[in-house]
Amino acid sequence: GESVGLHLPTLSVQEGDNSIINCAYSNSASDYFIWYKQESGKGPQFIIDIRSNMDKRQGQRVTVLLNKTVKHLSLQIAATQPGDSAVYFCAENIGGDTDKLIFGTGTRLQVFP
Amino acid sequence: KAGVTQTPRYLIKTRGQQVTLSCSPISGHRSVSWYQQTPGQGLQFLFEYFSETQRNKGNFPGRFSGRQFSNSRSEMNVSTLELGDSALYLCASSRWGEANVLTFGAGSRLTVL
Repeated sequence: GESVGLHLPTLSVQEGDNSIINCAYSNSASDYFIWYKQESGKGPQFIIDIRSNMDKRQGQRVTVLLNKTVKHLSLQIAATQPGDSAVYFCAENIGGDTDKLIFGTGTRLQVFP
Repeated sequence: KAGVTQTPRYLIKTRGQQVTLSCSPISGHRSVSWYQQTPGQGLQFLFEYFSETQRNKGNFPGRFSGRQFSNSRSEMNVSTLELGDSALYLCASSRWGEANVLTFGAGSRLTVL
């Protein structure tokens, strides 16, 4: 069935370190996997997406890795900054031009000075 | 440019009442979707509209309904409110062909007493 989950509810990192946020998914038919960031009092904000036929995609300070063998998705944030403190959600899109996303439960990233 | 605007930001209702929430998408975005966010269930898809037509619907009872107007603005309605309807209701819009890149509003926080 459709489900997207996360391994850890809270991740604490020191400023300047790299962060890795993990996500497990179960729907092998998903076409895209996406990461969103939600800061307190705001709606989620798109970070990066990756198509199911790729295994890595890089953005500015972020890298998403997709391992279809073990149905695992990760978001790596380089040189984590205080402004990265937020809740991070992975999501999957089953395909087609639809805005229907299945979101995971979220991981809270706390950045300490 | 202006983001996604949701009104009202906060509202309190009592059980049995109904509520209407409004969403103005980013100019040029024709697709609007709605999500419910609660601590227990996380982010759940409600429905999606494109060119005034409902394109997808999530697993919510018929008390939840929505519509989209010719200017792409959208409303959602919840009738016969229950305590469990207390949540943050998020509206998102997207550009044609960029279904993964949702721009969310700050949400309407509904409290049902």
